[in-house]
Amino acid sequence: LAKTTQPISMDSYEGQEVNITCSHNNIATNDYITWYQQFPSQGPRFIIQGYKTKVTNEVASLFIPADRKSSTLSLPRVSLSDTAVYYCLVGQTNQGGKLIFGQGTELSVKP
Amino acid sequence: GAGVSQSPRYKVAKRGQDVALRCDPISGHVSLFWYQQALGQGPEFLTYFQNEAQLDKSGLPSDRFFAERPEGSVSTLKIQRTQQEDSAVYLCASRPGGGVVDNSPLHFGNGTRLTVT
Repeated sequence: LAKTTQPISMDSYEGQEVNITCSHNNIATNDYITWYQQFPSQGPRFIIQGYKTKVTNEVASLFIPADRKSSTLSLPRVSLSDTAVYYCLVGQTNQGGKLIFGQGTELSVKP
Repeated sequence: GAGVSQSPRYKVAKRGQDVALRCDPISGHVSLFWYQQALGQGPEFLTYFQNEAQLDKSGLPSDRFFAERPEGSVSTLKIQRTQQEDSAVYLCASRPGGGVVDNSPLHFGNGTRLTVT
């Protein structure tokens, strides 16, 4: 199972763009990259998923280079409510559903 | 419909007591997962069900932990003879599919916070 490495914490200010990079050097051919967001006292919530190149939805963008050994979650114009822990996961469910969470990145957005 | 529902929201148990944690997945979801999350850590996989079949229980930390999903919907995680190290948030997640390859995202409940005193 691919292991991911993310920064433990990041600080930002309201209105800025935040980029969180995740390293996954051992990603397998069939692995997808998925990001979750978790607020205190809540379960993780799906943000975005991709396989290669760029994916964008109403919340975020996900950039994946050609070698797929890393990925970057981009949050445009963050607000205070984006303060949360962000997890990067790689994997596929034919591994028995065992999706592995790392320690995540704690993002703090300040006014 | 409603999301994944877990109960109780909080549970305090004295060391040595047995506890049962309930998960109501989203209706019709085939796959169900249990995770354990210690304070300040990411969720750690415990076990996985596809309908009523428990396909992976490799993450259960000891034989004191037992999970079931007898009718392929509601699931119960039981911990016998609780210990202080069992204190954590227990998260349940479900997903619509259950095929060999399914990358659809997990839908998590808000967890049960277990405190063992």
